[in-house]
Order: sequence, then structure tokens, then C-alpha cells
Amino acid sequence: EVQLVESGGGLVQPGGSLRLSCAASGFNFKIYSMYWVRQAPGKGLDFVSGINNKGDNEEHADSVNGRFRISRDNSKNTMHLEMSSLRAEDTAVYFCVRENYYFDYWGQGTLVTVSS
Amino acid sequence: EIVMTQSPATLSVSPGERATLSCRASQSVSSNLAWHQQKPGQAPRLLIYGASTRATGIPARFSGSGSGTEFTLTISSLQSEDFAVYYCQQYDNWPRTFGQGTKVEIK
Repeated sequence: EVQLVESGGGLVQPGGSLRLSCAASGFNFKIYSMYWVRQAPGKGLDFVSGINNKGDNEEHADSVNGRFRISRDNSKNTMHLEMSSLRAEDTAVYFCVRENYYFDYWGQGTLVTVSS
Repeated sequence: EIVMTQSPATLSVSPGERATLSCRASQSVSSNLAWHQQKPGQAPRLLIYGASTRATGIPARFSGSGSGTEFTLTISSLQSEDFAVYYCQQYDNWPRTFGQGTKVEIK
């Protein structure tokens, strides 16, 4: 069974940093591209960042480019999102998502709240 | 980036009735279109990919159609568990983009 479990969310002050993690199990992690998608309270879904299966190609939304970094460790079946210079508008549930051309499996999400 | 526009924003339907949801892309995405369902407090779930192929375990009452820029998700006979928000998503181009969602509510 495919499982994606996010962790690392919490309350952080504007300008602060946070590191999210996604632990994957139940599939051959190293052959899939992986993504972070977020959902602000009461809003829709927005692509944040993506990384290819080898970890040597990243893609970021314009809104986070230069502030967020995505990485993965295929030996540990984990993916990370390093978020810095956080803003109030980054407040959202962050979902870890597997891509099989399309987004086929979603984690349950971790809440990030940016507030003073 | 490709802008995905869904209509209507809210659809009020009685149980047992048919629901038809629309999604339009700002440029052609071929058949690289997926539909996701999200219930309150839950993660989204893949329903349809390739514009018309149901994902594993998705009931036959869900069907997708279209190609290019115009797509439709049809729920043939709404069940209580189908009241949710539905998002279309294109994976033809970078960045991957979603529609703003259609909420299917009980009439």
C-alpha cells in the first residue's frame, strides 16, 4: 500500500524557517518524481515544488522560488522542503504527492502557520 | 502557465441525480488532464487521469471526457459520499496547475 506521511509543520514567525519531511513507503520511491502541493485555509490547491526521481532537477512555483528548496534521499525514501523567509501567505496545509505523469497519491498533509 | 477554469463554482444536486462539472484550459493540454476529489478535512484523491480513465477503485458512476481545452466530469447518480469538492489538474506542461474547484453540495 502506498503511504506518504508528512511531518514538520507548525507555527512559525514571519521571516522564519521550517523544514517539512515526507516519508514514503509501499512503492519503489526512487523511480518517481515527487511534489509538494499546498492549500491555504478555505482555498484551492497550488503546486509548490517538485523534484525528479534522481533529485537533480527541481521545479518551484514563482511565489516560492528563491525561498524554498526541495530535496530527496532515495536511500531513506524521504523528501524534504526547506522553507525560509516565510510569509503570512505561506500559511497552508502542505501535501506530499507522488507523480506518475499525473498526481496519483497524496499524503494527509501537514499544517504550516506563519504568524506573529 | 496554463490556467484551468472550472464551472460552476458550486453545484447543488439531489441524491440520485446526475452532476456535470466542466473544466477549461487556457491552451491545449491534449488528454493530460486529471480530476481529484476532496472531502472536508481530507487529502485529495485521484479519480480520473488521461481525461477519461478511472483510477483504481473508482466507481463506474464517475466518468470523464474531453481533450484539448474542454473537459467534463460526470457523476451519473450522486451518492451521499460524492458530495465534495472536485479539482481538475493539467499535467501537460510546467508548472502543474489546478482549477479553482467545483463544490458539489446537497440540494
